Amino acid sequence: AQKITQTQPGMFVQEKEAVTLDCTYDTSDPSYGLFWYKQPSSGEMIFLIYQGSYDQQNATEGRYSLNFQKARKSANLVISASQLGDSAMYFCAMREIAGGTSYGKLTFGQGTILTVHP
Amino acid sequence: DVKVTQSSRYLVKRTGEKVFLECVQDMDHENMFWYRQDPGLGLRLIYFSYDVKMKEKGDIPEGYSVSREKKERFSLILESASTNQTSMYLCASSLYKPGQPNMDYEQYFGPGTRLTVT
Repeated sequence: AQKITQTQPGMFVQEKEAVTLDCTYDTSDPSYGLFWYKQPSSGEMIFLIYQGSYDQQNATEGRYSLNFQKARKSANLVISASQLGDSAMYFCAMREIAGGTSYGKLTFGQGTILTVHP
Repeated sequence: DVKVTQSSRYLVKRTGEKVFLECVQDMDHENMFWYRQDPGLGLRLIYFSYDVKMKEKGDIPEGYSVSREKKERFSLILESASTNQTSMYLCASSLYKPGQPNMDYEQYFGPGTRLTVT
């Protein structure tokens, strides 16, 4: 069963506008972490933001914020004031405890390609 | 500046060849990971290692093996390359502290190796 689902293969946004990239997850573990990574065309994976399952507030990092809705099991990434350099593939990922230490394993979604138009 | 390096950016091999992909990290991380990335499938975990000489299978280990003789180096081995192993291979590392959940430590990725098997 798919644990992380990104239903938007591609998204388009106008420069300076905000965009939301969707991510839903499935876990029975009460303790988990959610990550977003950016992958530009050059291929490197860049860590953007982290949300813990017990965090009371939504995570924010500069222009990135995470809209965490625990009951709905969603962790959408919001990018405000889009820039041309935001054009990239974006991955949502989850880390579970799974009965013991997680060893840092991540499960990734399929990814969403974001294109920012001037 | 943290760094994960991979031995090659591009590699072309013939069917049946033995292929070695090397990954080195300079952050003294305990955990290291090998993923493959395919369009529409995101990143899938092949193998990971949480200590020298320790390894565990990920989600798609078939056709692969790994070696970790030194803490900083994690090798992925394709014993007999096949065309369905043509893919982008990404190595990553992360911190790990025994006895702690390690939920919020992000993974640091190398630049990737694009392997083509003909």
